[in-house]
Amino acid sequence: DVKVTQSSRYLVKRTGEKVFLECVQDMDHENMFWYRQDPGLGLRLIYFSYDVKMKEKGDIPEGYSVSREKKERFSLILESASTNQTSMYLCASSLRGGVAGLVTDTQYFGPGTRLTVL
Amino acid sequence: GQQVMQIPQYQHVQEGEDFTTYCNSSTTLSNIQWYKQRPGGHPVFLIQLVKSGEVKKQKRLTFQFGEAKKNSSLHITATQTTDVGTYFCAYSGYSSASKIIFGSGTRLSIRP
Repeated sequence: DVKVTQSSRYLVKRTGEKVFLECVQDMDHENMFWYRQDPGLGLRLIYFSYDVKMKEKGDIPEGYSVSREKKERFSLILESASTNQTSMYLCASSLRGGVAGLVTDTQYFGPGTRLTVL
Repeated sequence: GQQVMQIPQYQHVQEGEDFTTYCNSSTTLSNIQWYKQRPGGHPVFLIQLVKSGEVKKQKRLTFQFGEAKKNSSLHITATQTTDVGTYFCAYSGYSSASKIIFGSGTRLSIRP
């Protein structure tokens, strides 16, 4: 079974702090993703990575950065946390990209980190 | 740009009643996936539809992809309390198979 783990289930930080959210997958997946989930808005893609040291912006990258130094690990960084970044953060991975215009590889999600910024 | 609407946002049904959620797109989709998220849990993949007019079944769940590949539905027959959760559709564009976009989800609650 694919296992995606996230460093914390719950996190409380103060405004202005630098926050690191870590995600690790154990199945040699090429793609990794960071989403935030807010009520009524579904899952919104922040960043994704299709290879080590490669990244692409998602729909809401502002205020976030990412790092992928090793294939199994994808980190989300909040340079200066703000209250509007209070949310559930979900990491996901997929084996590879599938075939553009045809099929998409299944995404496997971690348990999520509920971040509260005070 | 591509927009997908998922409706309804919430559905509250009596146990044993049927339930349907819909995803409607303004443009043609290459494929569509469905995920389920239990309360307090994370999204879990259910199925992917690729072909025009495709219909797939998983026990009491029936998934359909429209002929024009612009809409999809998930139908649950005779709901049970284990069906509680939020159901999301998700799709990728023709230019990228890696990036998928999730619908806003339909939250299903059930009266025992």
